[in-house]
Formats: sequence, structure tokens, C-alpha cells
Amino acid sequence: EAQVTQNPRYLITVTGKKLTVTCSQNMNHEYMSWYRQDPGLGLRQIYYSMNVEVTDKGDVPEGYKVSRKEKRNFPLILESPSPNQTSLYFCASSHSGQPQHFGDGTRLSIL
Amino acid sequence: AQRVTQPEKLLSVFKGAPVELKCNYSYSGSPELFWYVQYSRQRLQLLLRHISRESIKGFTADLNKGETSFHLKKPFAQEEDSAMYYCALSVDNQGGKLIFGQGTELSVKP
Repeated sequence: EAQVTQNPRYLITVTGKKLTVTCSQNMNHEYMSWYRQDPGLGLRQIYYSMNVEVTDKGDVPEGYKVSRKEKRNFPLILESPSPNQTSLYFCASSHSGQPQHFGDGTRLSIL
Repeated sequence: AQRVTQPEKLLSVFKGAPVELKCNYSYSGSPELFWYVQYSRQRLQLLLRHISRESIKGFTADLNKGETSFHLKKPFAQEEDSAMYYCALSVDNQGGKLIFGQGTELSVKP
């Protein structure tokens, strides 16, 4: 089954404790993206990747890192999480010029 | 500036009534626009893409370049249409960089 898989689905952690949210897709898509979804603000793109080893900032990249060492994986790294990064995070992937497929989301709470 | 605006946070209609969810965009290039739907506690799913000109689940959307709009319409709303709807603009011609509107919650009452 074609899918975008995020882990974990839920995480509660504390300020400053490094965390990684993984994202994997099995569709051989070139493009992968991370978004955060906040009430009243919709979805905002954090980072996106056009292919292996090619990444670019989205609209709200501060406080986040990404890497794309393999085509199928695009982890989101919070080196020193802060409470304003409490949000619902979505990973998405697509072929060039095609609509994005979204994962189920990861709800992060940073205390 | 590149921007997508959905002016209504919440739209509430009765079953069988027509629905129009508004979307306006600001973009200097040739726009590629999408509507995504998010049912309660589920992932976002593509509903419509303007270049395909399809009708999905009875919904249609027409790109109006003069008014810079891409409103989503359905003639007769159903209760199962209740969801969050997002309008999105592709700004890199590859679909990799999307700008989303703030979303409109559609509530269809019986």
C-alpha cells in the first residue's frame, strides 16, 4: 500500500531534550516536505527536499533541522525543543509536478 | 507576496444547501491550485487540482485569474462533507513548495 509513515504519532517531552520525528515513504517520490499545523494558521511549510541531499527552507524553518540521506526517509530534528514548537506535524511526499501525499501526523507537546 | 487567503474560519450550512468555500490567492506567476480536505483526526487528502478540472464527491472549483480566486463549490451539501478544507498554492511549478490558506471548517447540519 502506498503510504507516508510518521513516527511517533504522539510525543510529550520537555524543553531542550533533542527529538527526531521520522518520515518514510514507499512511493519513490522525489519531493518530501514537513509542515506544522496550528489553529487559525493552517499548515505552514518548515522544510522541503527535492531529492537526496537537496533540501531548502520553507516558511518557518527556525528551530528545526532536516536531512535527506536516502530517498525514502526525511527526518525532522528538533535539537533544542521549546514550548512554541508544540504543534501537529505532517510529512508529505510527491513526484515532481504531482499532488502531495500526507502522513497521519505527529502531535508534539513540549513542556 | 505569495499568499492564500480563506476568509471564513467556519461555514455552517444545512444538509441539501449549496456550499461555497472561498479561496483567494496572491502570486505573480502562473498559479497551480489545490483543495485538500481533512476529516476529523485524519490525514489531509487531495480533493481537487485545478488543472485536472474534475468533480470529486460533487465538489468543483474553477480558477478565476481575473479575481485571483479558486472557490470550492457543491450544489447540495451532505453531512459527510463536514471537515476542514484547505486551499493550497504551488509556488515552484514542481508541487514541492506549497502555501496553504488558514483553512475553513465546514459543518453540515442535518
